[in-house]
Amino acid sequence: AQSVTQLDSQVPVFEEAPVELRCNYSSSVSVYLFWYVQYPNQGLQLLLKYLSGSTLVESINGFEAEFNKSQTSFHLRKPSVHISDTAEYFCAVTLNSGGYQKVTFGTGTKLQVIP
Amino acid sequence: GAGVSQSPRYKVAKRGQDVALRCDPISGHVSLFWYQQALGQGPEFLTYFQNEAQLDKSGLPSDRFFAERPEGSVSTLKIQRTQQEDSAVYLCASSLIGLAGGEQFFGPGTRLTVL
Repeated sequence: AQSVTQLDSQVPVFEEAPVELRCNYSSSVSVYLFWYVQYPNQGLQLLLKYLSGSTLVESINGFEAEFNKSQTSFHLRKPSVHISDTAEYFCAVTLNSGGYQKVTFGTGTKLQVIP
Repeated sequence: GAGVSQSPRYKVAKRGQDVALRCDPISGHVSLFWYQQALGQGPEFLTYFQNEAQLDKSGLPSDRFFAERPEGSVSTLKIQRTQQEDSAVYLCASSLIGLAGGEQFFGPGTRLTVL
């Protein structure tokens, strides 16, 4: 079975500063990896995902994440955050085995952008 | 088009009462998922439907939890004889297809409080 660890429950950062939200996973087989974002009073939305190919994936709003198989990590980064990035971010993993596969979520990291 | 909707958004129940939570997925989405999100935790998988078939109910915590999707669209999660530990946000998500790696679209959730 797979598992996800997000060690940081809260990350405060000043506006326009860089940020990294950490995600590590555990699985004995290949995986797909996701970052979901939950803005206040809204449902979770997919931010970006790694399925195969380039290990660096990007979102439309400037976030990027890099799949590192040797370190079993999929950290989320942004070089300059905005107030509007304040939200909770969830890392998730599923097995790369085709068909239906259960998705396992981390406990989430609350990003607080300080003006 | 409309996203995933859930009703009610908030539900307060006395311990021992039965509750029913509704999910309207995106039209045409084959797959439907229910998750339970306790305070400070990530979503935990409850059950999965492909059309009207419930293919995975391994996450349902007890036989007091029951889910159905009789016509392959709207789904209802029923909790019988609610207990305080059932207090959580219940999330519904739908996906066009159920393959691993597919994006799940989440509803806003129903916050259940059991007194």
